Amino acid sequence: AQSVTQPDIHITVSEGASLELRCNYSYGATPYLFWYVQSPGQGLQLLLKYFSGDTLVQGIKGFEAEFKRSQSSFNLRKPSVHWSDAAEYFCAVGAMDYGGSQGNLIFGKGTKLSVKP
Amino acid sequence: SQTIHQWPATLVQPVGSPLSLECTVEGTSNPNLYWYRQAAGRGLQLLFYSVGIGQISSEVPQNLSASRPQDRQFILSSKKLLLSDSGFYLCAWSGTSTKAFFGQGTRLTVV
Repeated sequence: AQSVTQPDIHITVSEGASLELRCNYSYGATPYLFWYVQSPGQGLQLLLKYFSGDTLVQGIKGFEAEFKRSQSSFNLRKPSVHWSDAAEYFCAVGAMDYGGSQGNLIFGKGTKLSVKP
Repeated sequence: SQTIHQWPATLVQPVGSPLSLECTVEGTSNPNLYWYRQAAGRGLQLLFYSVGIGQISSEVPQNLSASRPQDRQFILSSKKLLLSDSGFYLCAWSGTSTKAFFGQGTRLTVV
């Protein structure tokens, strides 16, 4: 079955410390992978996406993620966390059908990030 | 517990026909509600969000409209579909301090 797992429900890091949020997926087709961030009461914002090519993807706000096919993982990283990074983070996987029609998205349940001063 | 229902899961409509996608939420009151679309080669794009009955904010100009006739009901509509309206539409809700919860999505194909 297709699924996305974010094993950490809640993570707390100190400001300035490094961050890694885990995401594992199970998907039969070639995956397209996304990380989104949601601040309280706000909509989703796309941080980065992976479709093909270089497996290390750079996103906005200093985030990056690495696609590891052998581990079915797409972990999100940031070298130095800022207090404004406190939010909920969602990993998602989808597939684009042949011919460019739209594919469905499957979301993980999210990881809440808290940042200590 | 809270649940979100979105239907239909799949829809094929001719160009020029109307559209109505419905999303309802159970188990919570006064949620923030969202409609997203996944565009080709891109991530989710926020189309509309609502913080209350009759309050709709549009993020991008388009051929679509949204309405919130009841607290936990959010409807995405079009009077005349275009080919470019094809895509995957996702409804979501959140509280003021809670994460987002997603519907199952609707794959719309306009032919």
